[in-house]
Amino acid sequence: ETGVTQTPRHLVMGMTNKKSLKCEQHLGHNAMYWYKQSAKKPLELMFVYSLEERVENNSVPSRFSPECPNSSHLFLHLHTLQPEDSALYLCASSQEWASGSFTDTQYFGPGTRLTVL
Amino acid sequence: SQQGEEDPQALSIQEGENATMNCSYKTSINNLQWYRQNSGRGLVHLILIRSNEREKHSGRLRVTLDTSKKSSSLLITASRAADTASYFCATDATGGFKTIFGAGTRLFVKA
Repeated sequence: ETGVTQTPRHLVMGMTNKKSLKCEQHLGHNAMYWYKQSAKKPLELMFVYSLEERVENNSVPSRFSPECPNSSHLFLHLHTLQPEDSALYLCASSQEWASGSFTDTQYFGPGTRLTVL
Repeated sequence: SQQGEEDPQALSIQEGENATMNCSYKTSINNLQWYRQNSGRGLVHLILIRSNEREKHSGRLRVTLDTSKKSSSLLITASRAADTASYFCATDATGGFKTIFGAGTRLFVKA
């Protein structure tokens, strides 16, 4: 148990659906992250939030929309996804994010396995 | 080839042996990180080493960084079956948001 939880653990959705992934951290961290892990590609950092503000966006399509209502919660809203968006979506948190770079240990949630039909 | 490229792609050793994995990268970096991922414990951030550091230890793990060669190595000493996992390196390039992960080394430790 890392202190980072994600729900749901598995999600199957059609291309016209709208769904949201949720992440919660109980570590008192100030930075949270969304990652995408596809079967045949390296891990990709999608979004970075520091002190509830989005500070980086790694050229992610607009069909992925993150939201960070407070420092403990992070959402990833999904709409009109494509089959190639099927992947494991991982959330992580760390104490801080500074100057466009990781500075300390990240703690990962178990991930949401997303399948887009 | 990609930034953060691990070598070898796969490694099989006996329990008790040491395992060494290497990572090469192309651009200047702020730091380099090593991660482990297996089905049981998910993705775990192992060590972050900054560009001005040359070596770092954490338990049975030893990471070295050679910025002149743009390479890093992860040494796991006295390996255990529980070390069986995929190991990734990731680099934070200088100049802002650019964290790139490699494809990983798959380590199998036989009991």
